[in-house]
Amino acid sequence: AQSVTQLGSHVSVSEGALVLLRCNYSSSVPPYLFWYVQYPNQGLQLLLKYTTGATLVKGINGFEAEFKKSETSFHLTKPSAHMSDAAEYFCAVSERTSYDKVIFGPGTSLSVIP
Amino acid sequence: SQTIHQWPATLVQPVGSPLSLECTVEGTSNPNLYWYRQAAGRGLQLLFYSVGIGQISSEVPQNLSASRPQDRQFILSSKKLLLSDSGFYLCAWSDRVWTQYFGPGTRLLVL
Repeated sequence: AQSVTQLGSHVSVSEGALVLLRCNYSSSVPPYLFWYVQYPNQGLQLLLKYTTGATLVKGINGFEAEFKKSETSFHLTKPSAHMSDAAEYFCAVSERTSYDKVIFGPGTSLSVIP
Repeated sequence: SQTIHQWPATLVQPVGSPLSLECTVEGTSNPNLYWYRQAAGRGLQLLFYSVGIGQISSEVPQNLSASRPQDRQFILSSKKLLLSDSGFYLCAWSDRVWTQYFGPGTRLLVL
């Protein structure tokens, strides 16, 4: 079965600093990969996704992620953190079933320090 | 464009009372639909999914049930709520290419 790990349940960065949120997955076949963001008391919003093609994927709000098959990783980055980036971030991986099953990681809470 | 609605946004219910949460999707047809629960400070737990009208599958045994009476309507129910049913309930739909889109959620507090 698929699994997703996110290193660091809580990450703090200074405003303007690099954001790096780590995600590793287990899969025997190349999966589809996703990053979602959740602001307090809201649903999840899709940040970006990798399906096929270019391994560097650009998303909304200046975020990007790189699919590295050899490392089974899909880390999320942003060059310069903004206060509004403070939120919970979930990495997810598809599982090839009949109903678009997606396995979510446990989440990483990002704090941005002014 | 597609939109997904959930209501109510917040609900406080006594233990033993019934529950009905509703989710509707606009702008798409024949979507896959999902109910997730998110306990405080924890990740997402898939409760139910549906690939069509009247077709419901449960991921975990529990006190809850789901129904899909119409193509774009998904309902989460319980006959008698437990304290452990408290949480944040999220509905999602997918475009059958593995991308799921989430609603705004319902915060349920069982007292």
